[in-house]
Amino acid sequence: GAGVSQSPSNKVTEKGKDVELRCDPISGHTALYWYRQSLGQGLEFLIYFQGNSAPDKSGLPSDRFSAERTGGSVSTLTIQRTQQEDSAVYLCASTLERGPYEQYFGPGTRLTVT
Amino acid sequence: SQQGEEDPQALSIQEGENATMNCSYKTSINNLQWYRQNSGRGLVHLILIRSNEREKHSGRLRVTLDTSKKSSSLLITASRAADTASYFCATANLRGITQGGSEKLVFGKGMKLTVNP
Repeated sequence: GAGVSQSPSNKVTEKGKDVELRCDPISGHTALYWYRQSLGQGLEFLIYFQGNSAPDKSGLPSDRFSAERTGGSVSTLTIQRTQQEDSAVYLCASTLERGPYEQYFGPGTRLTVT
Repeated sequence: SQQGEEDPQALSIQEGENATMNCSYKTSINNLQWYRQNSGRGLVHLILIRSNEREKHSGRLRVTLDTSKKSSSLLITASRAADTASYFCATANLRGITQGGSEKLVFGKGMKLTVNP
């Protein structure tokens, strides 16, 4: 079946602009995660959605970052007033609600803020 | 915050040799997972080992877990050029049943493996 998809694959934006990144999880996966990966670094957890529960936003680095998940499926990560330090690859992953909890990742969106 | 720390940070070997990567972590875990990443994009899940397991095999992969030492190792046997990638360990603490049982993974910085043909 189809895997996790993300769009756009690459985004170049000017400092101060807002950007929206989209994630389509695997059908039937109720849990969805956003991560950020800076060059040569590991993955930094941003936010997690699980069914109808309140999202875990503990990883969002500032109030410029927000995310929504509509209808328990597609998710959008929004970064307002982008800064150069926001440049990174943004990865989305989804899992089944029940175990064994391996996460299925999308190809990521490479964001460059100039 | 970073949980897993891979060691070494980079490894270069010849095709056919075995590659061993180590991961250390700090807190109690429910399971530990290894992922591979090619070309800095999406990660691919390789293997998951639960906290009550000590060793697990999957094809050419062998993972061990020592919860007393808070460490894990990933062994790739008979390496191939196609194994060239970055490898990450990730640890998980199971969330409460009331929260659906899914989990937040904490990733290390990764280890770059180069297999030379």
